[in-house]
Amino acid sequence: DSGVTQTPKHLITATGQRVTLRCSPRSGDLSVYWYQQSLDQGLQFLIQYYNGEERAKGNILERFSAQQFPDLHSELNLSSLELGDSALYFCASSPGTGGVGSNQPQHFGDGTRLSIL
Amino acid sequence: DAKTTQPPSMDCAEGRAANLPCNHSTISGNEYVYWYRQIHSQGPQYIIHGLKNNETNEMASLIITEDRKSSTLILPHATLRDTAVYYCIASDTGNQFYFGTGTSLTVIP
Repeated sequence: DSGVTQTPKHLITATGQRVTLRCSPRSGDLSVYWYQQSLDQGLQFLIQYYNGEERAKGNILERFSAQQFPDLHSELNLSSLELGDSALYFCASSPGTGGVGSNQPQHFGDGTRLSIL
Repeated sequence: DAKTTQPPSMDCAEGRAANLPCNHSTISGNEYVYWYRQIHSQGPQYIIHGLKNNETNEMASLIITEDRKSSTLILPHATLRDTAVYYCIASDTGNQFYFGTGTSLTVIP
């Protein structure tokens, strides 16, 4: 058990809809990261938040957005869903901000499996 | 972050040591080498990381060559539960991890 909690575990919805994925980081961790894993793209970094502020951005679509709340949990919002958004979405957390010279592993949750019909 | 290269697949007999290689010939001085594994579709599991010294924990050992251009993850006594995809990542920021295609390790009874 990594200590990172993601809900829901499974989500089935239709094209054009909007969903929200939730992540609770490990106790004491201030950074939250979101990753997408699809069959053809592998694990891809989407975005990082540190203590409520966006810290780093990867290949995140404009239809996707995230935020981190004062209690440090994070939500990933996916809108105008397309068939290609079907994937596993993972959240990870770490204690610090990251940055050059950083030496901290990320710990991952078990993901949310999103299926678009 | 430096690109890493791993063999796509490996087999290992149960009870034997599994040695998983990773090439990171363009690694910079600040970049750490991290190893993760992913069992089926579970979340990636952190295994170990290091900069230039060899590292050991309860899961595995990490051997980094003196020139830091390659490393080897060693699972000393592989079990069937070690069957997974293993990812080697080089990063100097610890935030944007780039997972490649990894090595699919199959432990054979």
